[in-house]
Amino acid sequence: GDSVTQTEGPVTLSEGTSLTVNCSYETKQYPTLFWYVQYPGEGPQLLFKVPKANEKGSSRGFEATYNKEATSFHLQKASVQESDSAVYYCALKGTNTGKLTFGDGTVLTVKP
Amino acid sequence: GPKVLQIPSHQIIDMGQMVTLNCDPVSNHLYFYWYKQILGQQMEFLVNFYNGKVMEKSKLFKDQFSVERPDGSYFTLKIQPTALEDSAVYFCASSLEGTGGPTGQLYFGEGSKLTVL
Repeated sequence: GDSVTQTEGPVTLSEGTSLTVNCSYETKQYPTLFWYVQYPGEGPQLLFKVPKANEKGSSRGFEATYNKEATSFHLQKASVQESDSAVYYCALKGTNTGKLTFGDGTVLTVKP
Repeated sequence: GPKVLQIPSHQIIDMGQMVTLNCDPVSNHLYFYWYKQILGQQMEFLVNFYNGKVMEKSKLFKDQFSVERPDGSYFTLKIQPTALEDSAVYFCASSLEGTGGPTGQLYFGEGSKLTVL
């Protein structure tokens, strides 16, 4: 079945430094890839999605490129803020299914 | 933004009892979902529901589980009887259309933490 593997957390950074959260996936289908973010006390919310290989998604300074050859979808941000502290989930949706397969989540803490 | 509300936020019950988790989805949404997250593990798909019917379910959606949304009220997940391994956070989500569509974005609730003793 489908699977998603992402950087094990927790990850602790100082404000202004760069972030990379690795995400690799396995599927026999042609997936749509997602990044979700979950702030403390809230449910996960969509950061962005990318339905097509070799395209990039971005939102709020975060970006990720759907790399079909490497089966990766790494999340990056050039300069993190304290308000970016949250859990980040990589996910995929295969074709002909409504379900999302999530990674384990990466806890990010940004210190001022 | 649009909100999905889940009631209760936390419930503790004895093994073998019945529990109903309630979800108030975004008002015009048509697709509804439940995901299960055991502490420290990934969120796993349980079921999706559209037009009064289960569309897809995973192997985690055991015979003891059922879902319904009577007359446009709460979308509920019922577990009867509960087992120790049902302890988890259950997330409800809704979407305007299926997840493959342009408005298929899932909106999640904050989760209902179920503890089975």
